[in-house]
Amino acid sequence: QSALTQPASVSGSPGQSITISCTGTSSDVGSYNYVSWYQQHPGKAPKLMIYDVSNRPSGVSNRFSGSKSGNTASLTISGLQAEDEADYYCNSYTSSSTLVFGGGTKLTVL
Amino acid sequence: QVQLVQSGSELKKPGASVRVSCEASGYTLSRHSINWVRQAPGQGLEWMGWIDTNTGNPTYARDFTGRFVFSLDTSVNTAYLQINSLKVEDTAVYYCARDLAIGRLDPWGQGTLVTVSS
Repeated sequence: QSALTQPASVSGSPGQSITISCTGTSSDVGSYNYVSWYQQHPGKAPKLMIYDVSNRPSGVSNRFSGSKSGNTASLTISGLQAEDEADYYCNSYTSSSTLVFGGGTKLTVL
Repeated sequence: QVQLVQSGSELKKPGASVRVSCEASGYTLSRHSINWVRQAPGQGLEWMGWIDTNTGNPTYARDFTGRFVFSLDTSVNTAYLQINSLKVEDTAVYYCARDLAIGRLDPWGQGTLVTVSS
C-alpha cells in the first residue's frame, strides 16, 4: 500500500486560512469516509484533529475542518495561529482492511 | 483520564530483541483495539498494524511481517510490541494508539525511542 500524497510544506500568515491536501486512490480515500488528520509538534506524539473526513473530537478548535472530494481529502485551518505550526498527517482506511498514512506536511506560520 | 503510557527508551545491538510496553489507564484495554505506528528519525508516520484486544488477533502491515510481534496482557491492561533480530534501520520512535473506530486513533502513547547500534 503506497503512502497517501501530501504536500511537503505549506505556509500562511497569522489570521489566514490554509488547506492541506491528501490524495489517495479509489482503494482508500475514494472509497471510504474513514479519513483522519493528526497534528504533531516536534518531539511530541500525534494528536487526532479530524476523524471520519470531517468530524472534530471534543476539545479541538472549530478552526480545523475537513472535507473530501473523490480521491482527495483536505484539512483546512482558518484563522491561523502561531501554535498551529506543526506537522500534519492524514490517514485512511483501505480496501485491504489496513490503514495508510500520508507522508506528512510541515505547516509554517509566517 | 484516558491515556497510554509506554516504556522508556531502549538501546540495543543489531540482532537483539526488544519489547515495548503500552499500558492503558482510564479505560479497559479490551474495549478498543491498539494500533502501532513507527516514526524513523526525521521521517513520517508508518502504520505497523493493530491487535484486536478482545481476541488477541494481530494484523500486520506488509512491511512489518516476520520480525514484529504484537501481544497483550489484559490482566495488567497492557499491549506489547516485540521486535526480533533488530536491524540498524529499526531505529525509530514507536507509538501505540487506541483505535476508537476505524482509523480514529486517540489517544496516542508518548512514544518509545528504540535505537539499534553496534
